[in-house]
Amino acid sequence: DAGVIQSPRHEVTEMGQEVTLRCKPISGHDYLFWYRQTMMRGLELLIYFNNNVPIDDSGMPEDRFSAKMPNASFSTLKIQPSEPRDSAVYFCASSLVATEQFFGPGTRLTVL
Amino acid sequence: AQSVTQLDSQVPVFEEAPVELRCNYSSSVSVYLFWYVQYPNQGLQLLLKYLSGSTLVKGINGFEAEFNKSQTSFHLRKPSVHISDTAEYFCAVTRRGTGNQFYFGTGTSLTVIP
Repeated sequence: DAGVIQSPRHEVTEMGQEVTLRCKPISGHDYLFWYRQTMMRGLELLIYFNNNVPIDDSGMPEDRFSAKMPNASFSTLKIQPSEPRDSAVYFCASSLVATEQFFGPGTRLTVL
Repeated sequence: AQSVTQLDSQVPVFEEAPVELRCNYSSSVSVYLFWYVQYPNQGLQLLLKYLSGSTLVKGINGFEAEFNKSQTSFHLRKPSVHISDTAEYFCAVTRRGTGNQFYFGTGTSLTVIP
């Protein structure tokens, strides 16, 4: 298996622009997680899905952030409008059971 | 709710010396415990996990951890570190039986000095 795939790997955008991050989980995994990592706040869980349904989005910082999972093999995290404080590395992870999460390589977002 | 405390944010150690990275957790229910490693500019990779059974768990790259229920700890150890072990290490906990939400610690940056 190719593992969790994220795109793009790097994104540089200007404040106010819309940003869309993409994730393809490992085939057969029914849980998908979005995390944000910064120096100041460490690794934060933003939202997670089970069988394409959002289970807990309490970590989503504000209404500018939204996430969807239209099918079992694809999820997006959208920021609209983006702000400089959104600059971070965003990770997607997937799992089948509660015994391991598999992480993607991350998307490094820079908002100027 | 579950939480994880990693007591050391940075640990410098000389090459071939032993190292211990400390992790304490709090939970009112039974848990699974994990250590992940993150090399520069990469995602997190599982080092080892405790699910049940023997409290001494062996992982990849010569690392091991011991689950201590009475002290609610899950410290990571390696008897002799290598330069390539320089990385960020995260301890995580999840509740047994329900859901897959992991709670991560703030990470420990291990620097191996030649």
